[in-house]
Amino acid sequence: LAKTTQPISMDSYEGQEVNITCSHNNIATNDYITWYQQFPSQGPRFIIQGYKTKVTNEVASLFIPADRKSSTLSLPRVSLSDTAVYYCLVGESPISGGYQKVTFGTGTKLQVIP
Amino acid sequence: EAGVTQFPSHSVIEKGQTVTLRCDPISGHDNLYWYRRVMGKEIKFLLHFVKESKQDESGMPNNRFLAERTGGTYSTLKVQPAELEDSGVYFCASSLRDGLKAFFGQGTRLTVV
Repeated sequence: LAKTTQPISMDSYEGQEVNITCSHNNIATNDYITWYQQFPSQGPRFIIQGYKTKVTNEVASLFIPADRKSSTLSLPRVSLSDTAVYYCLVGESPISGGYQKVTFGTGTKLQVIP
Repeated sequence: EAGVTQFPSHSVIEKGQTVTLRCDPISGHDNLYWYRRVMGKEIKFLLHFVKESKQDESGMPNNRFLAERTGGTYSTLKVQPAELEDSGVYFCASSLRDGLKAFFGQGTRLTVV
């Protein structure tokens, strides 16, 4: 399974756009990139998943360059409630399965400041 | 729709005792996963059920841990006998199909004293 590297922590003011970048240099052809959010005393919550280029949903955008060796989670206009730990996961194709077996990594602790 | 539910939310037991954690997945989700985070460490995969069958239990730390999913509905994770290093938060997740987004429970915080 591909190893991921992300910043340990980030601070942002309310209303700003936050970009969290994850490096995954040894990503495999069949690997997908998935981001989860976790609040204290709760389980991780799926945010977004992608394979290449750009994916957008109601919560975030995910940018993946052509070489796929990194990805950037973009949170538009964060609020205090976005304070959480964000995990980048890389694993096998969701069609053939396997990505759920990953280790979550240390994640990025985002602190939104009023 | 109810989410993934885990019982109990907290458990404190003495070393050597037995504890059973329960997970009720989202109805209709054939895939059920157990993860855990021991203190200061990362969330790690333990095992994966497809219905009642163990698809992958490569993450189970040792034979003191036994997971079951009789009937393919809820699952239990038994730790017997519990050791101090088993303390941590145990998460359960379910998904409609493996690889699709997983829905996590709130976790069970286990403390072995």
